[in-house]
Amino acid sequence: AQSVTQLDSHVSVSEGTPVLLRCNYSSSYSPSLFWYVQHPNKGLQLLLKYTSAATLVKGINGFEAEFKKSETSFHLTKPSAHMSDAAEYFCVVSTQGAQKLVFGQGTRLTINP
Amino acid sequence: GAGVSQSPSNKVTEKGKDVELRCDPISGHTALYWYRQSLGQGLEFLIYFQGNSAPDKSGLPSDRFSAERTGGSVSTLTIQRTQQEDSAVYLCASSLAGGQALAYGYTFGSGTRLTVV
Repeated sequence: AQSVTQLDSHVSVSEGTPVLLRCNYSSSYSPSLFWYVQHPNKGLQLLLKYTSAATLVKGINGFEAEFKKSETSFHLTKPSAHMSDAAEYFCVVSTQGAQKLVFGQGTRLTINP
Repeated sequence: GAGVSQSPSNKVTEKGKDVELRCDPISGHTALYWYRQSLGQGLEFLIYFQGNSAPDKSGLPSDRFSAERTGGSVSTLTIQRTQQEDSAVYLCASSLAGGQALAYGYTFGSGTRLTVV
């Protein structure tokens, strides 16, 4: 079975400093991985996805993630946090055949002025 | 339409009543998913429709929950005899099928916030 573990339930950084949101995955096959963001009272928005092409994936709003098979990780990073980045972030793995998405528990990102 | 549309956006119902939640997917998307997001929890898979195939109902938490998809488009999630633990945000998503879903992604609606009092 596929699963993802988000290692931090809450991350707090200062505006202008780097962001690191950690995600480890478990999959019996080569996975497809996603990061979604959810702003308060809004729907889920796709940030980026990895589908076995380049291991460094660039997404929207300056976010990127690196797929590391040896570490079974897919951490999300951004060089400089902005106040508008404050939201809940979900690491997601797709089941084989893409029938369903399996979500991590989420990481709440707080940006301090 | 341009996005996945869900209605109502908010629903307050009395314990024991039945509710229907509606999802209108993106035109041309053959796959449709329902998820539940409870307070302080991640997203829980409920059910998946793909074209005319039998739906994957493995995530439905009890027989009070059911869903249908008419004509391969609009879907309705029905909760009978609602309980307080059913209070959550119910999210619908749609995508192209199979590998195309991975290439083009899944689009989520804004959800229906259900409160059972």
